[in-house]
Amino acid sequence: DTEVTQTPKHLVMGMTNKKSLKCEQHMGHRAMYWYKQKAKKPPELMFVYSYEKLSINESVPSRFSPECPNSSLLNLHLHALQPEDSALYLCASSPPPRANVLTFGAGSRLTVL
Amino acid sequence: AQSVSQHNHHVILSEAASLELGCNYSYGGTVNLFWYVQYPGQHLQLLLKYFSGDPLVKGIKGFEAEFIKSKFSFNLRKPSVQWSDTAEYFCAGYGNKLVFGAGTILRVKS
Repeated sequence: DTEVTQTPKHLVMGMTNKKSLKCEQHMGHRAMYWYKQKAKKPPELMFVYSYEKLSINESVPSRFSPECPNSSLLNLHLHALQPEDSALYLCASSPPPRANVLTFGAGSRLTVL
Repeated sequence: AQSVSQHNHHVILSEAASLELGCNYSYGGTVNLFWYVQYPGQHLQLLLKYFSGDPLVKGIKGFEAEFIKSKFSFNLRKPSVQWSDTAEYFCAGYGNKLVFGAGTILRVKS
């Protein structure tokens, strides 16, 4: 298995909803990432988990809450989002020791109404 | 601070034309460099990577890139593009995290 799987592919939510994005990989990678990609823009790093511990938070608002229950799973919990949070959310993973060679998932396209 | 810049935002070429996309990076320490491609409706895929050694690296689908340290550049090249190369191309650098350039949208006319 050489894939990063993200669910759901599409999500529409209201500003008062609570939802979660999920990411899974079975490549034995020990670093996992969340990126946000707005239309016609490059991906921007949000969070990095290394060995299930949060190692980087790029000053992301608290309405985004990451969770790494185990080495294969990464969640992004969403609460009280704003319309400007609508974007493609990309999950990625990378192996040790080449922690910088990332494999990306197809993304979850989020629309906040 | 770490940054990556790409010179061209949109490039239109005819099939069989040669391609060169510019990329410059800025980082005070050792940096690893990448080119990723995003085909329409598909996920980001790694085209090629440079860590050290031979500054001319070859990737998938006939792409190559040359690391020129003195110019802080890592330009992507392909001698003859195909219609199927239509995609968005991102240069990226990893110093302490992976940072992307703004991307170049390539359209190849058949």
